[in-house]
Amino acid sequence: EIVLTQSPATLSLSPGERATLSCRASQTVSSYLAWYQQTPGQAPRLLIYDASNRATGIPARFSGSGSGTDFTLTISSLEPEDFAVYYCQQRFNWPITFGQGTRLEIK
Amino acid sequence: EVQLVESGGGLVQPGGSLRLSCAASGFTFSTYTMNWVRQAPGKGLEWVSYISSSSTVYYADSVKGRFTISRDNAKNSLYLQMNSLRAEDTAVYYCARDKGVVNYYYYGMDVWGQGTTVTVSS
Repeated sequence: EIVLTQSPATLSLSPGERATLSCRASQTVSSYLAWYQQTPGQAPRLLIYDASNRATGIPARFSGSGSGTDFTLTISSLEPEDFAVYYCQQRFNWPITFGQGTRLEIK
Repeated sequence: EVQLVESGGGLVQPGGSLRLSCAASGFTFSTYTMNWVRQAPGKGLEWVSYISSSSTVYYADSVKGRFTISRDNAKNSLYLQMNSLRAEDTAVYYCARDKGVVNYYYYGMDVWGQGTTVTVSS
């Protein structure tokens, strides 16, 4: 099983600041990695697919990078609605696995 | 509008069974792979099961032998039959559309339902 480790567990920032979230895989997942955003009481929302491609309707302030084992989700300038939990997920090998999540909170 | 709507959750005793349904609309259901993903209270996301458009299936080890995923393309519906339920199966269960890997691109789970809550307790 591929383990995805996200860091930090919690990130405290202010609106307007830049957020950098990390996801590290225990073995290569090539580019078969997605990022999701989840706000309280809501279903997850796809942000990034195939490591670096924005999903439909996702603002340009969200970007993804990386391949192999190290991936980054960057939010260039935080908006109030961006404070949420973010998950990475791999589809390179079975079983599909998710990271444990990074909680982005308002400082 | 592309939509997934789950139903069938509820309170069940340990050892009991439950069948979840996911009704799809607004897209050609038969051409998509589908997943069940769950989230225990206060916890992260956990993948449960996958079914391809041709009904190839995969399961997480935690549910293998107890849960069965299926689909009825004529009814645009996805199902999860859950048997021998345990307290640790308590979670919100989401169905999610998955375009899968196409031409070496992984397109992610792009449409999610609102979830249905399963509580396993005596």
